[in-house]
Amino acid sequence: QVQLQESGPGLVKPSQTLSLTCTVSGGSISSGGYYWSWIRQHPGKGLEWIGYIYYTGSTYYNPSLKSRVTISLDTSKNQFSLKLSSVTAADTAVYYCAREGGGSSYDPWGQGTLVTVSS
Amino acid sequence: QSALTQPASVSGSPGQSITISCTGTSSDVGGYNYVSWYQQHPGKAPKLMIYDVSNRPSGVSNRFSGSKSGNTASLTISGLQGEDEADYYCSSHTSSSTQVFGGGTKLTVL
Repeated sequence: QVQLQESGPGLVKPSQTLSLTCTVSGGSISSGGYYWSWIRQHPGKGLEWIGYIYYTGSTYYNPSLKSRVTISLDTSKNQFSLKLSSVTAADTAVYYCAREGGGSSYDPWGQGTLVTVSS
Repeated sequence: QSALTQPASVSGSPGQSITISCTGTSSDVGGYNYVSWYQQHPGKAPKLMIYDVSNRPSGVSNRFSGSKSGNTASLTISGLQGEDEADYYCSSHTSSSTQVFGGGTKLTVL
């Protein structure tokens, strides 16, 4: 079965770029039909969709984050990545990667990784 | 894009049924049969419970059901059990080819 695992720094300084990687096991990110996604959850708050990428490289982003977000694929490593630039304390959140199987159905999810923005 | 609207909290006694609503617009919930529901226990990742408005993934109890009318989708949990106590989120595809989540509903089993 497909499993996802986030990795990356847990602490990022303000104004810097947050970089996370999601490693996919048990399946290929190059196979069609799935969107590889990033979702975040601010402490004690709800889920916020960040964006996703199709195996072709097509990307879709949350309009409120679009100017700062880049999602990319590394098919050789079976990974996809998130970069969020010019971060502030408001970007402190648990970041999840997930596979979207069409129609807004996210399954499975990674366990999530807490990223804190602080100097 | 605005978050879908869910009640902040609902509660019910064991064995009872509860319904959680998720209200959007004709550009998201009302425009597509692409509404999903997620269950999240504290400190855990969300779990897909319903997809495409009313379909259950393999392994999800048939006590969970989904429906939609106009711009509002609903999740019903019948025969409430203590393990159902969790946060629930809806999500929908949008006309901009993006996704949007609801604000979340805390379910308390009394």
